[in-house]
Amino acid sequence: GDSVTQMEGPVTLSEEAFLTINCTYTATGYPSLFWYVQYPGEGLQLLLKATKADDKGSNKGFEATYRKETTSFHLEKGSVQVSDSAVYFCALSDPVEGAQKLVFGQGTRLTINP
Amino acid sequence: DTGVSQNPRHKITKRGQNVTFRCDPISEHNRLYWYRQTLGQGPEFLTYFQNEAQLEKSRLLSDRFSAERPKGSFSTLEIQRTEQGDSAMYLCASSSQGVDLSYEQYFGPGTRLTVT
Repeated sequence: GDSVTQMEGPVTLSEEAFLTINCTYTATGYPSLFWYVQYPGEGLQLLLKATKADDKGSNKGFEATYRKETTSFHLEKGSVQVSDSAVYFCALSDPVEGAQKLVFGQGTRLTINP
Repeated sequence: DTGVSQNPRHKITKRGQNVTFRCDPISEHNRLYWYRQTLGQGPEFLTYFQNEAQLEKSRLLSDRFSAERPKGSFSTLEIQRTEQGDSAMYLCASSSQGVDLSYEQYFGPGTRLTVT
C-alpha cells in the first residue's frame, strides 16, 4: 500500500538557519502531496500542498516541490524562526481512490533556538 | 466559520468502559474523516463519511468501534469495552472538493483518550 517516510527527528536549529526536512513516498497511483504542521497544543494545520509533478507548494516562507522521478517532497525554509518550532508531517492522498484519505509519515519534531 | 470542533478534549476512562466522542465539522463540508494518532506517530485513517453514508472503514477499526454521522452533520465515534491499547489522540477532519478537484482536510484539535 501507499506509504510516506520522513527524516528522523528531532531536529534542532538556531534561528535564521536553513531548514530541510526530507520526505519520500511510495504510491501505486499519482498522489497529491501535503505538509501539515502541528504547533504545541493545537490541531494539525495544512501548511502547503502540490497535486502534480514539478508543482511547488509554498506558504509562510516554506516550500516543497513534487519530484516524481525521486518520489520526494522535501520541505525547505531559508531562514527559520523560533515560532516555527512544531511537529511537521508529510502526507499523501490518492485522488483516484474514493476516500482520498491521508497517509502520513511519522512526523519530524523541529525546535528552533533563539 | 469556526473550524472543526471536537468534544471532549480529554477523556480518562477505566478499561472495559464505553466512551463516545463527538466531532462537529465545518458546516459546508460534506466529507468527514476519523484518524487515530499514537505518541510519536503520524495519524492513521480509521473511517470516512460522505454526507451521512459511511463509505470506508480501516481494518484498524475493530468491532468495538462504531461511528455515525446522522443527517450528514456532526459525527460520533464510540469505543465499547475500552482496552489500554485504545489510548491515543482521536482526530476528526472535514473537507469538501476544491477548485482543483482535491479534498483539503481541515482537522479538529483532537480528543485525547487515556484508558487506565
